[in-house]
Amino acid sequence: SYELTQPPSVSVSPGQTASITCSGDKLGDEFTCWYQQKPGQSPVLVIFQDNKRPSGIPERFSGSNSGDTATLTISGTQAMDEADYYCQVWDSNAAYVIFGGGTKLTVL
Amino acid sequence: QVQLVESGGGLVKPGGSLRLSCAASGFTFSDYYMGWIRQAPGKGLEWVSFIPSHTNTIYNADSVRGRFTISRDNARNSLYLQMNSLRAEDTAVYYCARDRGDSTISFDYWGQGILVTVSS
Repeated sequence: SYELTQPPSVSVSPGQTASITCSGDKLGDEFTCWYQQKPGQSPVLVIFQDNKRPSGIPERFSGSNSGDTATLTISGTQAMDEADYYCQVWDSNAAYVIFGGGTKLTVL
Repeated sequence: QVQLVESGGGLVKPGGSLRLSCAASGFTFSDYYMGWIRQAPGKGLEWVSFIPSHTNTIYNADSVRGRFTISRDNARNSLYLQMNSLRAEDTAVYYCARDRGDSTISFDYWGQGILVTVSS
């Protein structure tokens, strides 16, 4: 079955750029979205269709997807961005929704 | 504003059944695909099932196929998940979520989640 691989953890200093990757076979052929989940809270959609931001999501969140890797980029990372981040795709061939394992972003 | 409120969770013995409900408000429920996603304690997100707005086709994860059934009542603005033959590994917080509706399947609104514990 199709799998999405994320690094378990990423660290970034405040004000710097954080990049979180999501890898899968020919992932660039599918639309990828990203969710942010803070402790004790429900997930929040931060990127959809590879690089689009829902209303209310800060401009510092951006996305890209090409080849086998999708990337969530957070520019000028703030302490409030510390959270778990999950990538997700819809495998239309298998009719299956797939989540990556999640990445814990630490801002220190 | 969009609201999704889950109910029906709790403690159930292995092999037992439970029915989750999700009450939707603030949008035209019948226009949107809806789904269930779960999260085991300390683990990541796992898709469970989703259902289109008007068709009878449903989509299930392999881990729940044949045991869980998603359904909806558009007249009552409600989503359901009938869970049978529950196992310890089904213990999780279950989220009800709305698909954005652009055919790429991404969930733009989530409920607060409801805990299901399967234990003897």
